[in-house]
Amino acid sequence: NAGVTQTPKFQVLKTGQSMTLQCAQDMNHNSMYWYRQDPGMGLRLIYYSASEGTTDKGEVPNGYNVSRLNKREFSLRLESAAPSQTSVYFCASSPRDRWSPLHFGNGTRLTVT
Amino acid sequence: SQQGEEDPQALSIQEGENATMNCSYKTSINNLQWYRQNSGRGLVHLILIRSNEREKHSGRLRVTLDTSKKSSSLLITASRAADTASYFCATDPNAGNMLTFGGGTRLMVKP
Repeated sequence: NAGVTQTPKFQVLKTGQSMTLQCAQDMNHNSMYWYRQDPGMGLRLIYYSASEGTTDKGEVPNGYNVSRLNKREFSLRLESAAPSQTSVYFCASSPRDRWSPLHFGNGTRLTVT
Repeated sequence: SQQGEEDPQALSIQEGENATMNCSYKTSINNLQWYRQNSGRGLVHLILIRSNEREKHSGRLRVTLDTSKKSSSLLITASRAADTASYFCATDPNAGNMLTFGGGTRLMVKP
């Protein structure tokens, strides 16, 4: 049982380049989330998808777009990368019961130079 | 902005000692959750405590919640070197859909 799988694990981009971070879960969860983690800042929510076909902005959505491709997959796109987007990105999923915990992937470490 | 704030930011103890981490938050919550993160890995859920609960246990973990003070604590008893990790509290607010994480406590348990 793979859980939440994120690709790639590492990526280096130059300012202005674009890329898509991929996330897939095999737990039949309804909700999926993208967080970024910066030193001393904890995790901040970028976007989430409460169910297939819906997406909503989180705390820090600027500079990002998302696509809920189907129930399993939720991708995060950086259209024009900036050094401020250097971070570790985590995808998570949950059944979307309020009492259910999040299941996290192992993250994508992104550096923008 | 962060809903939860952990204290201390870093904690170093000897194996066998107890470790206590605290979390304070700002608004009313449905529940509060604690997660662990090992270096280079994603977060792993440890325990969830609901707003109408005051204490919860899971193995060597004990979590308390004081809604009047808007604070929670995580106690790890008889710590082991394998407990070395960062620990985060996350709050599920009454208003809104976002589970909000604090900045974490880095725990080092020395063998």
